[in-house]
Amino acid sequence: DQQVKQNSPSLSVQEGRISILNCDYTNSMFDYFLWYKKYPAEGPTFLISISSIKDKNEDGRFTVFLNKSAKHLSLHIVPSQPGDSAVYFCAAGDGNQFYFGTGTSLTVIP
Amino acid sequence: ETGVTQSPTHLIKTRGQQVTLRCSSQSGHNTVSWYQQALGQGPQFIFQYYREEKNGRGNFPPRFSGLQFPNYSSELNVNALELDDSALYLCASSLHPGSYEQYFGPGTRLTVT
Repeated sequence: DQQVKQNSPSLSVQEGRISILNCDYTNSMFDYFLWYKKYPAEGPTFLISISSIKDKNEDGRFTVFLNKSAKHLSLHIVPSQPGDSAVYFCAAGDGNQFYFGTGTSLTVIP
Repeated sequence: ETGVTQSPTHLIKTRGQQVTLRCSSQSGHNTVSWYQQALGQGPQFIFQYYREEKNGRGNFPPRFSGLQFPNYSSELNVNALELDDSALYLCASSLHPGSYEQYFGPGTRLTVT
C-alpha cells in the first residue's frame, strides 16, 4: 500500500512561472517530510525539508507547504528555471524509515 | 569532501544467482541506508546500518542482507535472485540515524534475466 503518493507523473511549466508539485500521505504519525530532486544517471539530491511542527519552510526559490489536516504537502518553485527540469520525489517518515512517492517529472520550457 | 560512491554501475545476473553491491559513504557519515527503486517507482527502504549494526529494516525478504564495515562503507547482498529484483539500488549516507538529510549515490542498475 502506497503511503506517499504523487498523483501527477509529469508537469510542464514556462520559464519564470511558478511550479507547484503535490504530494499526499496516509500516515498521520509521519513527522518529517522531504523533497528530493533527481537528474538522469544521478542519485536523488536533497532539496528541502519540513517538520510536522511547521506549515511552511522556505529556501530561496523553493518553498514547501504542509497541511497536516489534509495530509498534503506541496513544493513551490518560483521562478522556475530550465535547470529545474528533473524528477522530484517527496518522502515522509518518522526518522527511522522514509517512504517515497513515485516522483513527478518537471519540465521547465525556456 | 568525497560524495557517496557505488559500484558497480551496471550489473547483469541470471535468476538464482547471488549479487553483492558496494557503497562508500560520504566522509564523516556513519550511517548508510539502502533503497530499491523499481522502474516508475520511488525508492523503497531496504535497511539501514549505523556503526556496523543494523538499525532498521523495510519490508524485504531475508535473502536481502547487508554489512557495514569499520570505515562505514557498506555492502548489499541479494541471494537467489528473482526477475523482480531488477531495479536501481541506491545507497544513501547520513551523519547519524536521526539525521533526515541523506546523501545518495548514483546507484547500481541490476538486471536479472
